Amino acid sequence: DQQVKQNSPSLSVQEGRISILNCDYTNSMFDYFLWYKKYPAEGPTFLISISSIKDKNEDGRFTVFLNKSAKHLSLHIVPSQPGDSAVYFCAARGYGGSQGNLIFGKGTKLSVKP
Amino acid sequence: DAGITQSPRHKVTETGTPVTLRCHQTENHRYMYWYRQDPGHGLRLIHYSYGVKDTDKGEVSDGYSVSRSKTEDFLLTLESATSSQTSVYFCAISESLGRGLGDEQFFGPGTRLTVL
Repeated sequence: DQQVKQNSPSLSVQEGRISILNCDYTNSMFDYFLWYKKYPAEGPTFLISISSIKDKNEDGRFTVFLNKSAKHLSLHIVPSQPGDSAVYFCAARGYGGSQGNLIFGKGTKLSVKP
Repeated sequence: DAGITQSPRHKVTETGTPVTLRCHQTENHRYMYWYRQDPGHGLRLIHYSYGVKDTDKGEVSDGYSVSRSKTEDFLLTLESATSSQTSVYFCAISESLGRGLGDEQFFGPGTRLTVL
């Protein structure tokens, strides 16, 4: 029973264009969402997060949008660069106790072509 | 970068042998986690710790045990390794379990374990 879903295993984008990575969740108790980026042979690194009280959070080229009614979030990367090529994980956190632990999606591999 | 190291970075072992992986942090963060990453599964939580000698199970804890005798060290033990435990193991740390800035988990570089 997958609570956090990244339905696109891979995405290929041209350099300079927008990359949009999507994530859906099923648990309405999730109230904090994070995106992590992972290069091969390295640990995931935190990219950006959003609280459920917001619908948008921006950090440089990275913007996360949250649609609570649809239980959907997306990560926009504009403009995309070859160095953005990595696996991106969406994660969600519930409220309190062990619910505070992160639930990760399976990841989307982004390839940015020069 | 958060000061997190994992040892060993690579290990090959045989079925039935005990294996211990170590995570060491220099950030004095209260929370520590062990995850495994497998193709098609993303990252799954094995065990976590919310303080010295305080640990709890995660989503995939069967076959694993943990110990935390010091703030900086979190050990993951496979009492009798099986081929299904072949995976990449990541340690992570965080300051709290809240939902604000500073609550993000920071990950170590990973340990690639192969059980033959």
